[in-house]
Amino acid sequence: NAGVTQTPKFRVLKTGQSMTLLCAQDMNHEYMYWYRQDPGMGLRLIHYSVGEGTTAKGEVPDGYNVSRLKKQNFLLGLESAAPSQTSVYFCASSYSAGGLAGPSSYNEQFFGPGTRLTVL
Amino acid sequence: AQKVTQAQTEISVVEKEDVTLDCVYETRDTTYYLFWYKQPPSGELVFLIRRNSFDEQNEISGRYSWNFQKSTSSFNFTITASQVVDSAVYFCALMSEAFGIQGAQKLVFGQGTRLTINP
Repeated sequence: NAGVTQTPKFRVLKTGQSMTLLCAQDMNHEYMYWYRQDPGMGLRLIHYSVGEGTTAKGEVPDGYNVSRLKKQNFLLGLESAAPSQTSVYFCASSYSAGGLAGPSSYNEQFFGPGTRLTVL
Repeated sequence: AQKVTQAQTEISVVEKEDVTLDCVYETRDTTYYLFWYKQPPSGELVFLIRRNSFDEQNEISGRYSWNFQKSTSSFNFTITASQVVDSAVYFCALMSEAFGIQGAQKLVFGQGTRLTINP
C-alpha cells in the first residue's frame, strides 16, 4: 500500500496563477483533510471531506477550493495564488470516526509527505 | 475551545543527554485524544503515539516515554539518551470535540518544538 500520496512535491507559482494539488489514498478511508503548515503555527485545517461528494470548511478556508469526486482522491485548488499561500500543504486521511467513543484506531490521521508551495 | 501550547520553540542538547518536550492542552471535553508527531528534516510527519483521555498510564517505547497528567493538562515527551537522529520538529496535537459535518474530528496542533541534537 502506498498510503497517502501527494502530487506535486514542490511547486513555484507567480501571484495570480492557479493550480491544483492532488491527494490520493489507497486505504479506503472515508475522511480526508487538507492542512497547511506555516513556521511557528503548527498545522491548520483548510478543508475536509467526510465522503465522496461532500466537503466542508476548516479553520483557514479562504482562497482555497476542494473537490472529492472519487473516494480515494481529494483535490485542493488555488484559483488565484497569493504570496500568503506560500506554505507546506499536507493531506491526511482517516476512517469514518463513529465519534470519539469509537475504536481508537479510527482516530488516527495518516499524513501524506507534503507539498511545498512558493508563491512569488 | 481547543488549544495546544508547546512553549519551547527550540531546544538544543548534546548527544546522550535526556530531553523533555512540554505540551499543555486545553479542552472542555472529557473524551479526547492526544498525539505526538515527529517531523524530520525530510519533512514528512511521523506518528509517534496516541493517548486517550481515559488512560493516564505513562508509556515507554525504547528511548521514548510519555507522561500524561490530566490534573495539569499536560502530555510531555521525554527522549532518553538522545541521538543525532532524534533531531526534528516535534508536534503535540489534540483531537476532542466533534465539529462540522458528520462528526469529523479536527486535529489541533501545537506550534512545534525544534529539537537539535549535537554530536
